[in-house]
Amino acid sequence: AQTVTQSQPEMSVQEAETVTLSCTYDTSESDYYLFWYKQPPSRQMILVIRQEAYKQQNATENRFSVNFQKAAKSFSLKISDSQLGDAAMYFCAYTDGNNRKLIWGLGTSLAVNP
Amino acid sequence: DTGVSQNPRHKITKRGQNVTFRCDPISEHNRLYWYRQTLGQGPEFLTYFQNEAQLEKSRLLSDRFSAERPKGSFSTLEIQRTEQGDSAMYLCASSLGPAGANVLTFGAGSRLTVL
Repeated sequence: AQTVTQSQPEMSVQEAETVTLSCTYDTSESDYYLFWYKQPPSRQMILVIRQEAYKQQNATENRFSVNFQKAAKSFSLKISDSQLGDAAMYFCAYTDGNNRKLIWGLGTSLAVNP
Repeated sequence: DTGVSQNPRHKITKRGQNVTFRCDPISEHNRLYWYRQTLGQGPEFLTYFQNEAQLEKSRLLSDRFSAERPKGSFSTLEIQRTEQGDSAMYLCASSLGPAGANVLTFGAGSRLTVL
């Protein structure tokens, strides 16, 4: 079965500090995409970052970067210089075979302390 | 372009009633997805369309659920004879093409409360 595991239900970080959210997944596909989405209290999902599995270089988007370990099926998200607006639920997801849809983890709730 | 629009944002209904949710995707997006999200869970796939064709429907979806996208533009999700277990947030998303290479853009969701 295709699964996504986010082992940290809740995390907290001090403003301006760095935090890493973990994600592991299970797929037999060789070509797929991985995502981190953010869901603030307003509940609209917002894309944070995307990684193509065939690319070895880790994706970065400003303060957000990933550590993609394909062999280990690990896809962690690092948030640098955390800001109060980063407080949200963070979901890890990847595409199923043929890129028809996304398979999602249960999420990590991130609190940012001033 | 105002993004993906979902209506109503919140629906409260009594058990046994029918409800319908509408999703207006980004206009040039040919793929449209419905997901369900309950508290403390990640989104659960329900169904998706490419233009007007419904290409996949989750086996978890009972016969009480039906979705349409009649002209390949907006979509409706109808739940007949609602049950308390149907209470959830129903999320709609759209993309320009297959997921992955094309990013899914989500609406704000429609929250269903079944009393």
